[in-house]
Amino acid sequence: QKEVEQNSGPLSVPEGAIASLNCTYSDRVSQSFFWYRQYSGKSPELIMSIYSNGDKEDGRFTAQLNKASQYVSLLIRDSQPSDSATYLCARKTSYDKVIFGPGTSLSVIP
Amino acid sequence: DTGVSQDPRHKITKRGQNVTFRCDPISEHNRLYWYRQTLGQGPEFLTYFQNEAQLEKSRLLSDRFSAERPKGSFSTLEIQRTEQGDSAMYLCASATKGGFPYEQYFGPGTRLTVT
Repeated sequence: QKEVEQNSGPLSVPEGAIASLNCTYSDRVSQSFFWYRQYSGKSPELIMSIYSNGDKEDGRFTAQLNKASQYVSLLIRDSQPSDSATYLCARKTSYDKVIFGPGTSLSVIP
Repeated sequence: DTGVSQDPRHKITKRGQNVTFRCDPISEHNRLYWYRQTLGQGPEFLTYFQNEAQLEKSRLLSDRFSAERPKGSFSTLEIQRTEQGDSAMYLCASATKGGFPYEQYFGPGTRLTVT
């Protein structure tokens, strides 16, 4: 069983729409979760971290965490073509090791 | 620039040769991580350090891989007797122990091609 699972995509949304990215994890002990954006050929860039149940908003991005159901999601409002990238979900273990999912490819169509 | 830096950015080597990569973390960060990433996959954990101590090494990592962080600052990752399967992007990230939320920041990566 993979520790962090994501749909590989590609997920395609029209410009201006809301993109919804989902992630599930298997370790109930995990407390901190992260979303990274990775453009092709580049290294991952931290978008948001979340550690409490509920929503956390930062600009056009909203991260949602539901520990009971073991899922994390990322919503991108008013999607722009520049948002086209791979989005990586990650969780921190109790030993401060960070485990990444395989990523979801997002394509925003102008 | 106070971000994580890696050197070299690209490395092409022949099978069987040894290669060494360097990572300089953000100066105040005491945790340093190495990952490997292949096309279409997320970063795969290799090893990490707190200061100069290596805290964990992935069980998937063969003995041909070794990492050091001798003075608790920069780190090196060496691959001996490279194989074509070692071709990947090698990523370094750093973080602050005890930071909450615990956030890692990545360097630009070293792309290794083994021919």
